[in-house]
Amino acid sequence: DAKTTQPPSMDCAEGRAANLPCNHSTISGNEYVYWYRQIHSQGPQYIIHGLKNNETNEMASLIITEDRKSSTLILPHATLRDTAVYYCIVRVALWVMNRDDKIIFGKGTRLHILP
Amino acid sequence: DAGVIQSPRHEVTEMGQEVTLRCKLISGHNSLFWYRQTMMRGLELLIYFNNNVPIDDSGMPEDRFSAKMPNASFSTLKIQPSEPRDSAVYFCAREGGRDTQYFGPGTRLTVL
Repeated sequence: DAKTTQPPSMDCAEGRAANLPCNHSTISGNEYVYWYRQIHSQGPQYIIHGLKNNETNEMASLIITEDRKSSTLILPHATLRDTAVYYCIVRVALWVMNRDDKIIFGKGTRLHILP
Repeated sequence: DAGVIQSPRHEVTEMGQEVTLRCKLISGHNSLFWYRQTMMRGLELLIYFNNNVPIDDSGMPEDRFSAKMPNASFSTLKIQPSEPRDSAVYFCAREGGRDTQYFGPGTRLTVL
């Protein structure tokens, strides 16, 4: 079972900010929040990740609540090319992973950018 | 460019045949991951390697599936014998900088 809960789909007008929520109420102290997206017929693409502080890069911003039980991915100015399925994942860092640590992608949120 | 080359990109085979999927990394990396994606089950981690050693293969469906990583730049996923329920897109991913994963374009497998 996925450790995260995301809405199955969302719409956003082109040029507006897209805010994608994710609940991860059972996140452990050493687990990071990762966001990936998958454009149709392509492999998943890394977007951003964080532990507890908010993060920003050239693609998006990640806002993590103080209790770390939820987060929001923000695409500041959505374009039609941002239409994709967005996955929120929680996991430990790769270098500490063992057989008990799983990477579970879940169903994600299908984001539709409307022209 | 994720630096991951998968071959073949499409494979159509008949039930009972052996299928070998290949993953080549442009440069060697410590960790490599094999995933399977279907409409019903989504994206599932099958196995991952660290320093060419399989760390967790609990996601491998059954004994018909096997994976090897003979060196830091190459891995194979073999299905023998294949069954129609193995039809899926199989992704290979490498560890990137800052604890990220970069995915290849995938191999679409159809077993008739």
